[in-house]
Amino acid sequence: GDSVTQMEGPVTLSEEAFLTINCTYTATGYPSLFWYVQYPGEGLQLLLKATKADDKGSNKGFEATYRKETTSFHLEKGSVQVSDSAVYFCALSTASSGTYKYIFGTGTRLKVLA
Amino acid sequence: GAVVSQHPSRVICKSGTSVKIECRSLDFQATTMFWYRQFPKQSLMLMATSNEGSKATYEQGVEKDKFLINHASLTLSTLTVTSAHPEDSSFYICSASLASYEQYFGPGTRLTVT
Repeated sequence: GDSVTQMEGPVTLSEEAFLTINCTYTATGYPSLFWYVQYPGEGLQLLLKATKADDKGSNKGFEATYRKETTSFHLEKGSVQVSDSAVYFCALSTASSGTYKYIFGTGTRLKVLA
Repeated sequence: GAVVSQHPSRVICKSGTSVKIECRSLDFQATTMFWYRQFPKQSLMLMATSNEGSKATYEQGVEKDKFLINHASLTLSTLTVTSAHPEDSSFYICSASLASYEQYFGPGTRLTVT
């Protein structure tokens, strides 16, 4: 079945460091891909998305490119800030019996130190 | 646009009682709503999918008699945890969709059963 594999955390970085969080997926068909961020005690916020191969999603300095050949959607940011500390979820949206459902990765906790 | 609210944000109830959580799409009509459960430091687990006016479709392993879902209108779905027990304590998140690949998430409800 469809699945999302995300690098395990926690990831601890110093402020202004480069961030990469790996995400690979397995899916039949052509899923849409998402990155969500969750701050402590809160729900999920959409960070970025891509709906087809070679699309690049970007928002707030974060970027991810939909790579069909490597089935990946790695999240990157050139210079992280303390305020980026949160849990990041990679997800895909796939149609099942006429309904689109999400499959989430396990989440990666990021801690940025001042 | 595409705002989803949940009420209450936090609830504490005694073991054996029932508790209802509301999920509302505030500025759009949601053809499909989803209910997720999230354990501490874990990913989201899809519990059920509901379409307005029809019975919810529960994921394998989710007790439909314990977690009652009603989707009475295109803007409101409710999750009732019946005869709650401490093991039902969790973070419950709903999402809503316009019958497309993207879901819009609510802020979550923290349920504590004492």
